[in-house]
Amino acid sequence: DAKTTQPPSMDCAEGRAANLPCNHSTISGNEYVYWYRQIHSQGPQYIIHGLKNNETNEMASLIITEDRKSSTLILPHATLRDTAVYYCIVRFPYNTNAGKSTFGDGTTLTVKP
Amino acid sequence: DADVTQTPRNRITKTGKRIMLECSQTKGHDRMYWYRQDPGLGLQLIYYSFDVKDINKGEISDGYSVSRQAQAKFSLSLESAIPNQTALYFCATSDFGGNEQFFGPGTRLTVL
Repeated sequence: DAKTTQPPSMDCAEGRAANLPCNHSTISGNEYVYWYRQIHSQGPQYIIHGLKNNETNEMASLIITEDRKSSTLILPHATLRDTAVYYCIVRFPYNTNAGKSTFGDGTTLTVKP
Repeated sequence: DADVTQTPRNRITKTGKRIMLECSQTKGHDRMYWYRQDPGLGLQLIYYSFDVKDINKGEISDGYSVSRQAQAKFSLSLESAIPNQTALYFCATSDFGGNEQFFGPGTRLTVL
């Protein structure tokens, strides 16, 4: 699985958009980009995933560059409850036997009042 | 009730002891996973199982073993615990598509 690089920490003002970057320059053609978050020491929570097209759901948007070497997770209106560690993971989907997964160290997002 | 449960939630043990961590799920998923998280770091995959008869090693399986007793149950064992296995352990499940994993609340294990 490709490795990812994320900034260790970011701040965001409450109500503003939070844009979390992720570099994955060694991504292969069939690998997906997944985002999870972990609030305090709870179990991680799935946010969104994508292959090459931009994706949006009720939680966030995922923008993947055309060369697929980087992506950005966007929380459109951050709240204090969005303070968490955000993990960007690049891997094959789990419906193949190559579907292993290791979470990197992530980005600690702090949303401030 | 939680979809993925882990027992115990906290455990303190001594070096050399055998420890079993248990995971149960009510989501009906075939795929289950065990992860380890060291303080301030991300999660590392220990073992994963795609169905009851399928067990696979992850990146850090040394010192650990697993048992998939049923579709709903996946246990992680430390045959002889050592202090550097002190960590937070998470169980997770996913369906066949596997894009979304559902995590349990975690077990905090301390090996003295």
